Amino acid sequence: EAGVAQSPRYKIIEKRQSVAFWCNPISGHATLYWYQQILGQGPKLLIQFQNNGVVDDSQLPKDRFSAERLKGVDSTLKIQPAKLEDSAVYLCASSLTGTVYTYEQYFGPGTRLTVT
Amino acid sequence: KQEVTQIPAALSVPEGENLVLNCSFTDSAIYNLQWFRQDPGKGLTSLLLIQSSQREQTSGRLNASLDKSSGRSTLYIAASQPGDSATYLCAVNGGATNKLIFGTGTLLAVQP
Repeated sequence: EAGVAQSPRYKIIEKRQSVAFWCNPISGHATLYWYQQILGQGPKLLIQFQNNGVVDDSQLPKDRFSAERLKGVDSTLKIQPAKLEDSAVYLCASSLTGTVYTYEQYFGPGTRLTVT
Repeated sequence: KQEVTQIPAALSVPEGENLVLNCSFTDSAIYNLQWFRQDPGKGLTSLLLIQSSQREQTSGRLNASLDKSSGRSTLYIAASQPGDSATYLCAVNGGATNKLIFGTGTLLAVQP
């Protein structure tokens, strides 16, 4: 079974530029999560999708971050414009569902973003 | 608001030693707790998941315990090996939406 795929693996941009990350979850997983992990910290949930609907985006900085999951499969996370403090690893995860609380989340390799 | 703390932040042990990593959480109303391993530049690998009704889970040389009432979990690693060197993260699932709240991790170095 293929795991969660993410691209690109690394990205370096200047502040005020825009950037987009892509995630392909495990086949059949209805729920998709985007986490932000700043160096030295644990991952923090940015947004959670159930199929193509948003379940939780309470910690997403909506003035600069946006995410979509068209057709309930792949997802894209965008930052525009980027700030220095956005430098982090962006992790995508998926689970069978997010409305039954015991389902395990599987993580992709992450995208390391450096904003200069 | 749920907060998860991991102690120690870093740990260095000689190969072969048994060790314990600690995780504490402030709200005991959790559904499950999960231990992850993170290698440098890599994503998270799930090690063990303990449901709220369970006291412990075992996988090979790893044993995780959960004491919900005191808000604590421990990850026991037996006979440590250099390949165990990584950051270990614990995360609690406290809501109906399956949201994980992570600790800041313990960086483990096993010296050959």
